[in-house]
Amino acid sequence: DIQMTQSPSSVSASVGDRVTITCRASQGISSWLAWYQQKPGKAPKLLIYAASSVQSGVPSRFSGSGSGTDFTLTISSLQPEDFATYYCQQANTFPRTFGQGTMVEIK
Amino acid sequence: QVQLVQSGAEVKKPGSSVKVSCKTSGGPLSTSAISWVRQAPGQGLEWMGGIIPVFGTENYAQVFQGRVTITADESTSTAYMDLTSLRSEDTAVYFCASGPYYYGSGSYHYYFDYWGQGTLVTVSS
Repeated sequence: DIQMTQSPSSVSASVGDRVTITCRASQGISSWLAWYQQKPGKAPKLLIYAASSVQSGVPSRFSGSGSGTDFTLTISSLQPEDFATYYCQQANTFPRTFGQGTMVEIK
Repeated sequence: QVQLVQSGAEVKKPGSSVKVSCKTSGGPLSTSAISWVRQAPGQGLEWMGGIIPVFGTENYAQVFQGRVTITADESTSTAYMDLTSLRSEDTAVYFCASGPYYYGSGSYHYYFDYWGQGTLVTVSS
């Protein structure tokens, strides 16, 4: 199975901060990577697919980059509604696997 | 607007089985892949398996092999996840998720564009 490792596990940030989350795959996955946002008690929401394509309706402050094994999710200016847990997920091979999550907390 | 609506919460005894349904609307199953993802209390997301209904192609995570079966009924636009031999560690929220599939490099790829609201399955004696 492909292991997805996110860092950091948690980050404390203030409104307006730039936040970057990284995701590393244990083997190359081309650009078959997605990022999801999950708030407590809710289903995850797709933010980014194909490593850098922003899902329709997602604010432009969210962006993704990378290919192969190393990927990043960037929130350019953190807003109050962005405090949540973020997961990366590879769609290259079966089984699909997720990173362990990164919690973005209020500083 | 694609919507996925799941069946209600379940309480089950160890050793029994559970079947959770996921009714889709707003888009045909024929162009979608359906997956089931679970989340144990306070834990991360775990993919259990998926199906591309139009091809009948099923894939499962090895950890669930033999215990989980995912099916889809295109006539009712409903997918199902059947989990057997339940144990306490299966207590979790179970989500269905769908999205278009893509073919590339000899395989099918899909993301989870749309999600159901989640179904809490509690396994307790």
